Amino acid sequence: EAQVTQNPRYLITVTGKKLTVTCSQNMNHEYMSWYRQDPGLGLRQIYYSMNVEVTDKGDVPEGYKVSRKEKRNFPLILESPSPNQTSLYFCASSPRPGNTIYFGEGSWLTVV
Amino acid sequence: GENVEQHPSTLSVQEGDSAVIKCTYSDSASNYFPWYKQELGKRPQLIIDIRSNVGEKKDQRIAVTLNKTAKHFSLHITETQPEDSAVYFCAAQTGYSTLTFGKGTMLLVSP
Repeated sequence: EAQVTQNPRYLITVTGKKLTVTCSQNMNHEYMSWYRQDPGLGLRQIYYSMNVEVTDKGDVPEGYKVSRKEKRNFPLILESPSPNQTSLYFCASSPRPGNTIYFGEGSWLTVV
Repeated sequence: GENVEQHPSTLSVQEGDSAVIKCTYSDSASNYFPWYKQELGKRPQLIIDIRSNVGEKKDQRIAVTLNKTAKHFSLHITETQPEDSAVYFCAAQTGYSTLTFGKGTMLLVSP
């Protein structure tokens, strides 16, 4: 089954404790991206990647890191999480930009 | 960067009525305009999209129109049903750059 899988789905963590949200897709898509969704602000892109070893900042990259060492994986790293990073995070992939984007199920992250 | 404005933020209609959601974008180079539907607690899913070389696209009860000169595009849902109730997002993308979303419209369809 074609899918985008992200983990964990739910996480409560403390300020400053590094965490990684994994994302994997099995559709051989070139384009992957991360979004955060906050009430009243819609979906905002954090980082995106055109292909392996190619990443670029989206609209809200501060406080986040990503890597794309393999085509199927695109982890989101919060080196020192802060409460303002409490949000719902979506990973997504697409064959290439300008094509249908497939979202993962989302990861609820709470930083206390 | 690109800025996408979406209106209205909430829309209530009676079952069977039509619903229209409008978006404007700022970057005249944007060439891809998808619409996503997000039901409560679920991930966004693409319902229709349009590219800059097309003025209108239709898929059963859903249609999207694009006015490149005015830099706005709209989603039209006819014969609305209660299962159309959800949050709808428009988005715009320029080539290989960031996909920018509007803030969303909550559509409520009353039986």
